[in-house]
Amino acid sequence: ETGVTQSPTHLIKTRGQQVTLRCSSQSGHNTVSWYQQALGQGPQFIFQYYREEENGRGNFPPRFSGLQFPNYSSELNVNALELDDSALYLCASSFPEGAGEQFFGPGTRLTVL
Amino acid sequence: GENVEQHPSTLSVQEGDSAVIKCTYSDSASNYFPWYKQELGKRPQLIIDIRSNVGEKKDQRIAVTLNKTAKHFSLHITETQPEDSAVYFCAASRSNYQLIWGAGTKLIIKP
Repeated sequence: ETGVTQSPTHLIKTRGQQVTLRCSSQSGHNTVSWYQQALGQGPQFIFQYYREEENGRGNFPPRFSGLQFPNYSSELNVNALELDDSALYLCASSFPEGAGEQFFGPGTRLTVL
Repeated sequence: GENVEQHPSTLSVQEGDSAVIKCTYSDSASNYFPWYKQELGKRPQLIIDIRSNVGEKKDQRIAVTLNKTAKHFSLHITETQPEDSAVYFCAASRSNYQLIWGAGTKLIIKP
């Protein structure tokens, strides 16, 4: 197992609501990347945070936003939830100055009804 | 932007035989190519990776090859075992490690 943790494990919301997902990175890692994995598909890159700044973004609308804290933990916020937002949300921490390997958390399963 | 295609979507092999999964990428600036194994309900786990300055890398029964000119890379698993059954994903990225993933290959090992 990696040292990356995510909370909550599961979450059920209704359309239009807002959600915040949390990720604690592995010790020493200053970069967190977030991915959305719909059932039966590969993960899709949402965005990456490096030293508290957004460092790249995939093809996701602005209602997906994030934050990284001084201890390098991170939050993913999704506003105005849609049914298609139902997915497994994975965060991965890394130390790009080293080998760059990403270590994944267990994920948060979000269901939007 | 980068696009990664992965084939086949499902692969069924006899235990003890070899399995090969292939991926192609579009961004010639991509230089990092990891392979992940994901078991049902679990997080992706890195099984092997390769960088663009290397053509082949091997780790016990697992090997990855990279053809930069053709922009494709492949995962080879030899002497397959039941515990190799899982979904395998390839991915590609530039030096920023923002991974673009393939759609996955479900590997089934038949006893």
